[in-house]
Amino acid sequence: EDQVTQSPEALRLQEGESSSLNCSYTVSGLRGLFWYRQDPGKGPEFLFTLYSAGEEKEKERLKATLTKKESFLHITAPKPEDSATYLCVLEANDYKLSFGAGTTVTVRA
Amino acid sequence: KAGVTQTPRYLIKTRGQQVTLSCSPISGHRSVSWYQQTPGQGLQFLFEYFSETQRNKGNFPGRFSGRQFSNSRSEMNVSTLELGDSALYLCASSLDGGVGNEQFFGPGTRLTVL
Repeated sequence: EDQVTQSPEALRLQEGESSSLNCSYTVSGLRGLFWYRQDPGKGPEFLFTLYSAGEEKEKERLKATLTKKESFLHITAPKPEDSATYLCVLEANDYKLSFGAGTTVTVRA
Repeated sequence: KAGVTQTPRYLIKTRGQQVTLSCSPISGHRSVSWYQQTPGQGLQFLFEYFSETQRNKGNFPGRFSGRQFSNSRSEMNVSTLELGDSALYLCASSLDGGVGNEQFFGPGTRLTVL
Protein backbone atom coordinates (compact mmCIF):
# COMPACT_ATOMS: atom_id res chain seq x y z
CA GLU A 1 0.00 0.00 0.00
CA ASP A 2 1.31 3.44 -0.91
CA GLN A 3 2.15 5.58 2.11
CA VAL A 4 3.21 9.14 2.76
CA THR A 5 4.58 10.27 6.12
CA GLN A 6 5.41 13.87 6.88
CA SER A 7 7.60 15.06 9.71
CA PRO A 8 7.63 16.90 11.93
CA GLU A 9 3.93 17.47 12.57
CA ALA A 10 4.60 21.02 13.66
CA LEU A 11 7.57 23.32 13.34
CA ARG A 12 8.06 26.64 15.11
CA LEU A 13 10.76 28.84 13.62
CA GLN A 14 12.18 32.23 14.33
CA GLU A 15 12.18 34.59 11.36
CA GLY A 16 15.33 33.91 9.37
CA GLU A 17 15.87 30.45 10.88
CA SER A 18 16.13 28.03 7.95
CA SER A 19 14.77 24.51 8.27
CA SER A 20 13.56 21.49 6.31
CA LEU A 21 10.36 19.50 6.20
CA ASN A 22 10.44 15.81 5.39
CA CYS A 23 8.08 13.68 3.33
CA SER A 24 9.00 10.00 3.27
CA TYR A 25 7.09 7.65 1.04
CA THR A 26 6.64 4.13 -0.16
CA VAL A 27 5.06 3.56 -3.53
CA SER A 28 5.02 0.78 -6.08
CA GLY A 29 5.59 3.22 -8.91
CA LEU A 30 5.91 6.99 -8.62
CA ARG A 31 4.36 9.23 -11.23
CA GLY A 32 4.87 12.43 -9.29
CA LEU A 33 5.17 14.05 -5.90
CA PHE A 34 3.45 17.34 -5.16
CA TRP A 35 3.95 19.94 -2.48
CA TYR A 36 1.09 22.22 -1.48
CA ARG A 37 0.74 25.05 0.98
CA GLN A 38 -2.52 25.48 2.88
CA ASP A 39 -3.54 28.50 4.92
CA PRO A 40 -6.28 28.18 7.56
CA GLY A 41 -9.75 28.18 6.04
CA LYS A 42 -8.47 27.97 2.48
CA GLY A 43 -7.89 25.28 -0.08
CA PRO A 44 -4.35 24.02 -0.73
CA GLU A 45 -2.17 26.07 -3.06
CA PHE A 46 0.10 24.25 -5.48
CA LEU A 47 3.85 24.75 -4.98
CA PHE A 48 5.87 22.09 -6.83
CA THR A 49 5.74 18.86 -8.79
CA LEU A 50 8.75 16.53 -8.69
CA TYR A 51 8.96 13.58 -11.06
CA SER A 52 12.21 11.74 -10.46
CA ALA A 53 14.99 11.28 -7.93
CA GLY A 54 17.56 14.04 -8.03
CA GLU A 55 15.11 16.65 -9.22
CA GLU A 56 14.98 20.02 -7.46
CA LYS A 57 12.57 22.93 -7.79
CA GLU A 58 12.78 26.39 -6.23
CA LYS A 59 10.33 29.19 -5.62
CA GLU A 60 11.30 32.21 -3.57
CA ARG A 61 12.41 30.92 -0.16
CA LEU A 62 11.24 27.35 -0.84
CA LYS A 63 13.21 24.54 -2.41
CA ALA A 64 11.90 21.02 -2.93
CA THR A 65 14.11 18.01 -3.53
CA LEU A 66 13.35 14.37 -4.26
CA THR A 67 15.13 11.08 -3.62
CA LYS A 68 13.87 7.55 -4.17
CA LYS A 69 12.46 7.40 -0.65
CA GLU A 70 11.77 10.94 0.46
CA SER A 71 11.28 14.55 -0.45
CA PHE A 72 12.42 17.60 1.44
CA LEU A 73 10.98 21.07 1.46
CA HIS A 74 13.66 23.51 2.53
CA ILE A 75 12.60 26.90 3.82
CA THR A 76 15.45 29.41 3.68
CA ALA A 77 15.34 32.50 5.91
CA PRO A 78 11.58 32.14 6.51
CA LYS A 79 9.30 35.10 7.09
CA PRO A 80 6.05 35.16 9.10
CA GLU A 81 4.08 34.96 5.84
CA ASP A 82 5.56 31.50 5.27
CA SER A 83 3.46 30.25 8.19
CA ALA A 84 1.11 27.60 6.81
CA THR A 85 0.55 23.87 6.65
CA TYR A 86 2.65 22.21 3.97
CA LEU A 87 1.19 19.09 2.38
CA CYS A 88 3.00 16.37 0.49
CA VAL A 89 0.97 14.38 -2.04
CA LEU A 90 2.05 11.31 -3.96
CA GLU A 91 0.65 10.14 -7.29
CA ALA A 92 1.27 6.51 -8.10
CA ASN A 93 1.42 4.90 -11.52
CA ASP A 94 -2.21 3.87 -11.16
CA TYR A 95 -3.12 7.55 -10.69
CA LYS A 96 -4.04 6.99 -7.04
CA LEU A 97 -3.20 9.89 -4.77
CA SER A 98 -1.83 9.50 -1.24
CA PHE A 99 -1.72 12.45 1.10
CA GLY A 100 0.57 13.24 3.97
CA ALA A 101 -0.93 14.66 7.15
CA GLY A 102 0.97 17.90 6.68
CA THR A 103 3.53 19.91 8.62
CA THR A 104 2.28 23.07 10.26
CA VAL A 105 4.95 25.75 10.14
CA THR A 106 4.78 28.80 12.39
CA VAL A 107 7.32 31.56 11.82
CA ARG A 108 7.66 34.14 14.59
CA ALA A 109 8.89 37.64 13.88
CA LYS B 1 -8.62 34.02 -14.89
CA ALA B 2 -11.31 33.08 -12.37
CA GLY B 3 -10.37 30.42 -9.86
CA VAL B 4 -12.24 27.36 -8.72
CA THR B 5 -15.49 28.30 -7.04
CA GLN B 6 -17.48 26.22 -4.60
CA THR B 7 -20.97 26.77 -3.30
CA PRO B 8 -22.17 27.03 -0.68
CA ARG B 9 -19.23 28.03 1.49
CA TYR B 10 -20.90 26.95 4.71
CA LEU B 11 -23.66 24.47 5.36
CA ILE B 12 -25.34 23.11 8.47
CA LYS B 13 -27.40 19.94 8.24
CA THR B 14 -28.81 17.37 10.63
CA ARG B 15 -28.20 13.66 10.68
CA GLY B 16 -30.12 11.73 8.09
CA GLN B 17 -30.43 14.62 5.68
CA GLN B 18 -28.74 14.79 2.33
CA VAL B 19 -26.60 17.53 0.85
CA THR B 20 -25.39 18.62 -2.58
CA LEU B 21 -22.23 20.63 -3.03
CA SER B 22 -21.26 22.40 -6.22
CA CYS B 23 -17.93 23.10 -7.86
CA SER B 24 -17.15 25.22 -10.89
CA PRO B 25 -13.66 24.52 -12.26
CA ILE B 26 -11.34 26.95 -13.93
CA SER B 27 -12.39 27.57 -17.50
CA GLY B 28 -10.85 24.97 -19.79
CA HIS B 29 -10.16 22.48 -17.03
CA ARG B 30 -11.79 19.12 -17.63
CA SER B 31 -10.76 17.22 -14.51
CA VAL B 32 -12.48 17.83 -11.21
CA SER B 33 -11.53 16.06 -8.00
CA TRP B 34 -13.23 16.10 -4.62
CA TYR B 35 -11.57 15.78 -1.24
CA GLN B 36 -12.67 15.59 2.36
CA GLN B 37 -10.50 17.28 4.94
CA THR B 38 -10.84 16.75 8.69
CA PRO B 39 -8.44 17.52 11.53
CA GLY B 40 -8.15 13.85 12.41
CA GLN B 41 -7.86 12.25 8.97
CA GLY B 42 -6.28 15.04 6.99
CA LEU B 43 -7.00 15.31 3.29
CA GLN B 44 -8.73 12.29 1.78
CA PHE B 45 -9.53 11.72 -1.86
CA LEU B 46 -13.17 11.12 -2.71
CA PHE B 47 -13.33 10.86 -6.49
CA GLU B 48 -12.23 12.40 -9.75
CA TYR B 49 -14.35 13.21 -12.77
CA PHE B 50 -13.09 13.75 -16.26
CA SER B 51 -15.29 14.46 -19.25
CA GLU B 52 -18.43 13.55 -17.28
CA THR B 53 -17.02 10.15 -16.25
CA GLN B 54 -15.78 9.08 -12.86
CA ARG B 55 -12.18 8.17 -13.52
CA ASN B 56 -10.89 7.54 -10.03
CA LYS B 57 -12.46 6.78 -6.69
CA GLY B 58 -11.29 6.80 -3.09
CA ASN B 59 -12.41 4.56 -0.25
CA PHE B 60 -15.64 6.22 0.78
CA PRO B 61 -19.05 4.58 1.22
CA GLY B 62 -21.69 4.73 -1.47
CA ARG B 63 -23.46 7.56 0.40
CA PHE B 64 -20.91 9.79 -1.29
CA SER B 65 -21.55 10.28 -4.97
CA GLY B 66 -20.85 12.82 -7.62
CA ARG B 67 -21.33 13.79 -11.18
CA GLN B 68 -19.90 16.09 -13.77
CA PHE B 69 -21.77 18.04 -16.37
CA SER B 70 -20.84 18.77 -19.97
CA ASN B 71 -19.52 22.20 -18.96
CA SER B 72 -17.17 20.44 -16.46
CA ARG B 73 -19.03 21.75 -13.45
CA SER B 74 -19.35 19.09 -10.82
CA GLU B 75 -21.63 18.27 -7.94
CA MET B 76 -21.06 16.06 -4.96
CA ASN B 77 -23.90 14.50 -3.02
CA VAL B 78 -23.86 12.97 0.42
CA SER B 79 -26.97 11.09 1.50
CA THR B 80 -28.06 10.03 4.99
CA LEU B 81 -25.62 12.38 6.68
CA GLU B 82 -23.72 11.22 9.74
CA LEU B 83 -22.00 13.30 12.39
CA GLY B 84 -18.64 12.10 11.07
CA ASP B 85 -19.34 13.70 7.71
CA SER B 86 -18.66 17.11 9.23
CA ALA B 87 -15.62 18.33 7.32
CA LEU B 88 -14.23 20.76 4.82
CA TYR B 89 -15.01 19.50 1.32
CA LEU B 90 -12.55 20.68 -1.26
CA CYS B 91 -12.84 20.63 -5.00
CA ALA B 92 -9.82 20.87 -7.28
CA SER B 93 -9.60 21.24 -11.02
CA SER B 94 -6.84 20.59 -13.49
CA LEU B 95 -6.51 20.58 -17.25
CA ASP B 96 -6.81 16.85 -17.65
CA GLY B 97 -5.69 15.32 -14.39
CA GLY B 98 -2.67 13.09 -14.08
CA VAL B 99 0.86 13.90 -13.01
CA GLY B 100 2.24 17.28 -13.88
CA ASN B 101 -1.17 18.81 -14.17
CA GLU B 102 -1.23 20.96 -11.14
CA GLN B 103 -4.51 21.02 -9.32
CA PHE B 104 -6.11 24.28 -8.35
CA PHE B 105 -8.21 24.07 -5.24
CA GLY B 106 -11.34 25.96 -4.40
CA PRO B 107 -11.94 27.52 -0.99
CA GLY B 108 -14.01 24.57 0.15
CA THR B 109 -17.45 24.02 1.61
CA ARG B 110 -17.54 23.71 5.39
CA LEU B 111 -20.23 21.14 6.24
CA THR B 112 -21.41 20.77 9.80
CA VAL B 113 -23.71 17.89 10.65
CA LEU B 114 -25.66 18.25 13.89
